[in-house]
Amino acid sequence: SQTIHQWPATLVQPVGSPLSLECTVEGTSNPNLYWYRQAAGRGLQLLFYSVGIGQISSEVPQNLSASRPQDRQFILSSKKLLLSDSGFYLCAWSLPGLAGGQYFGPGTRLLVL
Amino acid sequence: GENVEQHPSTLSVQEGDSAVIKCTYSDSASNYFPWYKQELGKRPQLIIDIRSNVGEKKDQRIAVTLNKTAKHFSLHITETQPEDSAVYFCAARFMNSGYSTLTFGKGTMLLVSP
Repeated sequence: SQTIHQWPATLVQPVGSPLSLECTVEGTSNPNLYWYRQAAGRGLQLLFYSVGIGQISSEVPQNLSASRPQDRQFILSSKKLLLSDSGFYLCAWSLPGLAGGQYFGPGTRLLVL
Repeated sequence: GENVEQHPSTLSVQEGDSAVIKCTYSDSASNYFPWYKQELGKRPQLIIDIRSNVGEKKDQRIAVTLNKTAKHFSLHITETQPEDSAVYFCAARFMNSGYSTLTFGKGTMLLVSP
């Protein structure tokens, strides 16, 4: 069966510091991968998605970037965090193509002070 | 662009009552509609989904209906229990530059009182 991991679980960072969040998927090959942010409140905002190694599509222009160095690894980065970057960051995977839904990782809670 | 509207934003029911959450979507080409349940502090969990070639799908106490003509779909929970309390998200799949992504509604906070 497939599992998805994210780390760290929680992170407190000062404004202006860099960020690196990691997501890995096990038990499947060539998954579609996604990064979402959930700010205080409830909405899920799609940040990036990837259909393969090195292929990244951005949904929202901002100071975040994403990379996919390996088939089942997805990384979210920032060079300089802003206060508004605080939130709950969720990685998700789905089967390639149009099959099925997305499955979320446990998430990383980021607080920028 | 693609849009998913979800109502109500908050729903309070008594244990044993039914709960209905409704969503509308903008892109008539959408063909897949999942529902997620998110308990406090946890990740969203896929609880049921429906494809555009089906009008209704049931799984024990939950069911989803789809009206493609009207571009709306609904989640029905019967015999609600306190553990059903959570935020529920609907979503619709949209095609975007040859790839598919999900657009989510803003969520419904369901509170089931004992």
